[in-house]
Amino acid sequence: GAVVSQHPSRVICKSGTSVKIECRSLDFQATTMFWYRQFPKQSLMLMATSNEGSKATYEQGVEKDKFLINHASLTLSTLTVTSAHPEDSSFYICSASRTGDGYTFGSGTRLTVV
Amino acid sequence: AQSVTQLDSQVPVFEEAPVELRCNYSSSVSVYLFWYVQYPNQGLQLLLKYLSGSTLVKGINGFEAEFNKSQTSFHLRKPSVHISDTAEYFCAVAQRDDKIIFGKGTRLHILP
Repeated sequence: GAVVSQHPSRVICKSGTSVKIECRSLDFQATTMFWYRQFPKQSLMLMATSNEGSKATYEQGVEKDKFLINHASLTLSTLTVTSAHPEDSSFYICSASRTGDGYTFGSGTRLTVV
Repeated sequence: AQSVTQLDSQVPVFEEAPVELRCNYSSSVSVYLFWYVQYPNQGLQLLLKYLSGSTLVKGINGFEAEFNKSQTSFHLRKPSVHISDTAEYFCAVAQRDDKIIFGKGTRLHILP
């Protein structure tokens, strides 16, 4: 079945630094990937849709200059949290869509900004 | 626009009892429907999905769900739950290859 690998699973960074999260589709090509954010005890909120070879589409209220998304190949999308602050601490999850087969999610990245 | 409503934020159930987690959706077009499970500090695992065809969908871990178009529902059921089923369950809806929208989740709490 379709597998999506997300790395790292946990990261702790200092306030003001940037953090990059990778999302890879291991056995299929994903022209579209999605990035979600989940606060404790809450649902997943879509942040942006990542399109291979073009700019990401951000949901309303998501700062595109803070959350940089790059989808340079059919198997890799990255989310960079720039100038991270404690309020950016959250669980970030990516997913990839394979036509006709639905969606597969990565295992998530727990970001803690101190 | 699509939306998903999970009517119960928490459902306590005794072990070996049956359970139903409710999900209703709204959409003006045909949709795909999903149930995901999330264990603490982990990502999402797909339980089952409805893309087309039979309205009764069987998933992993003994779960099943029935797509009811007239009631716009996709309730999740299991005839006998176990302690290991304690988790957060998310219902989700999407149009073909489009973004997936999640409900707020239902915490299933298994009582011994």
